[in-house]
Amino acid sequence: QVQLQESGPGLVKPSETLSLTCTVPDGSINKYYWNWIRQPVGKGLEWIGRSYTSRSTNYNPSLKSRITMSLDTSMNQFSLTLRSVTVADTAVYYCAGAPRIYASSSAPLDSWGQGILVTVSS
Amino acid sequence: QSALTQPRSVSGSPGQSVTISCTGTSSDVGAYNYVSWYKQQTGTAPKLIISDVSKRPSGVPDRFSGSKSGNTASLTISGLQTEDESDYYCCSYAGSYSWVFGAGTKLTVL
Repeated sequence: QVQLQESGPGLVKPSETLSLTCTVPDGSINKYYWNWIRQPVGKGLEWIGRSYTSRSTNYNPSLKSRITMSLDTSMNQFSLTLRSVTVADTAVYYCAGAPRIYASSSAPLDSWGQGILVTVSS
Repeated sequence: QSALTQPRSVSGSPGQSVTISCTGTSSDVGAYNYVSWYKQQTGTAPKLIISDVSKRPSGVPDRFSGSKSGNTASLTISGLQTEDESDYYCCSYAGSYSWVFGAGTKLTVL
């Protein structure tokens, strides 16, 4: 397990773009599949997507048209961009890692950040 | 890609056993042995407690066990303790490199 830390604005206006960053420990960026998960307050978890190399990304089909994820190995960070946000995107956003010692489709999320609350409001 | 179905709440007394079900479809839970379970205490991040249907990560008590039959996975907690009171979420691989979570179950230890 590794310690993760999300960062970004806590307030975004409707129709604008939400950008979050997750900082991971030095040396671990290439050892995990890096995921974003969100949780509206009082509701369940929703998988948003993951990235694990500069060109390897997988997205939730329901969000695919609005999201971009990327890795910055030099900064030990991975990021989420969610475009055209609405109030329905208000949630706690978690970054989470799944060890790449597992097969791509089975890797469980064993490392989580503390989460960051993002509110979409004018 | 619909959320997996979990009971909204379950309860049990200390020392008892409870089972939380997680029902999906033949495209997710039924198709793959890649179901994981997460425990989430109020205000904190989820914690992995079961992977690959029934594997317990190091440090997770053997009171927690997982199983699967057809399109339904289950988490059983035996010898309930007060600290088990949490929300529990299942998660399944859904094919095409996508994953789906359950809606969550609130466990109350009476």
